Formats: sequence, structure tokens, C-alpha cells
Amino acid sequence: AQKVTQAQTEISVVEKEDVTLDCVYETRDTTYYLFWYKQPPSGELVFLIRRNSFDEQNEISGRYSWNFQKSTSSFNFTITASQVVDSAVYFCALSEVYNQGGKLIFGQGTELSVKP
Amino acid sequence: NAGVTQTPKFRVLKTGQSMTLLCAQDMNHEYMYWYRQDPGMGLRLIHYSVGEGTTAKGEVPDGYNVSRLKKQNFLLGLESAAPSQTSVYFCASISYSRYDSYEQYFGPGTRLTVT
Repeated sequence: AQKVTQAQTEISVVEKEDVTLDCVYETRDTTYYLFWYKQPPSGELVFLIRRNSFDEQNEISGRYSWNFQKSTSSFNFTITASQVVDSAVYFCALSEVYNQGGKLIFGQGTELSVKP
Repeated sequence: NAGVTQTPKFRVLKTGQSMTLLCAQDMNHEYMYWYRQDPGMGLRLIHYSVGEGTTAKGEVPDGYNVSRLKKQNFLLGLESAAPSQTSVYFCASISYSRYDSYEQYFGPGTRLTVT
């Protein structure tokens, strides 16, 4: 069965701190995609990153970085030098492209609060 | 190119009433999805469609029906609304191509309250 676990329900940091959001997934497929989405207080879902199961390279985009480790089934997200605008709920999601019609399995979400 | 749009954005229903949520996409995507979001539970798949005229059940399909008569539209119906269906509903679509451009595009959401 597919499952995504975000064990951190809420995280609170002070501006400029680094913060890591954890994501652990379960799948029996060898071909899958992992995603991170941001949901700001306005409610829309903002796509952050997609990683396919064949690409374990870490990725950096500005203050954001992602660490994909198949050996531990984890896809963690780090924000460096956090800012108040990073306050949002962050979702990790899994998609088994070929077997499940591309549907997304979401984690429960981590609410990040960045205080000035 | 409007992407994925949802109608309406907000709605309040009384228990037992019916309504239809409309999702439209102008990207010629094959796959479309309806999710619901409840506090502390992330998003859960209600129904999905892999093409015009086809639909399938997701994780939480009870109390909902869907139709995909046209490729660009995916309708979600509530025949007899219940308070447990109070939620935020998101529609999404993807263009299924190998590896490179696989991404789900989400609509802005519909906030539904059933009293």
C-alpha cells in the first residue's frame, strides 16, 4: 500500500533559522514521483518540486533544498534562513504513475510558522 | 490559458440539499481528479478520471458522484449533502507524458459548508 507520513504536525521557528520538514513514504512500485506543495494562508496549492524515483540527486532552489534518499524512503525539505513569508502548510505527496492513474497520495501536512 | 478553474468558490448548503461542483481545464489534459481537504488529514482522493467518459473511485468516494462527459470538464455531485461533507474541494489535472513534464495542476479550491 502507498503511504506518506509527515510526522511533524507543526513547527515554529524564528526568522533566519534553518528548518527541515520530514517526509517518509511507502510504495511497492519502482517507478514513482514525489512532490512537495506549499499551501499559504490564502489556501491555494503551490507546486514546489517533483522528483522521479530514478533521480536521487539532491536539488537546491534558492533557499529551498530537497534530500531524496531511496534507502530510507525519505524526501526531506529544508528551508535555509527562513522568512515570515515561508509560513504555510507544506505537503509531501507520492504518485505511482503507471499503476494508480497518476493519483497523488498526500501526507498529513506540516504547518510551519516563522516568527519575526 | 486559465489552467484549472473551479466553480463555485464558496457554497453553503443545508443538510439534504444537492449541488454540483464544476472543474474545467483548458490544457487538454487526459487525467482529472477531485480531492477533499480536511484539517489534519491532508488531501484525499474522492474520484478521478483517466479520460472522457471514464471515472473511477478514489479513497473516499461515498456520498459523491462524478461525470466526465467532455474532456475539459469534470463534475462532482453531492446528491444529499451531509455535515461530514463540509470541506475544501480541490480539482486537479495532469497531462500524462513520460517522466519529463508530469505535474498535477490544481484549481483554487471550493469551500463547502453543510449546515
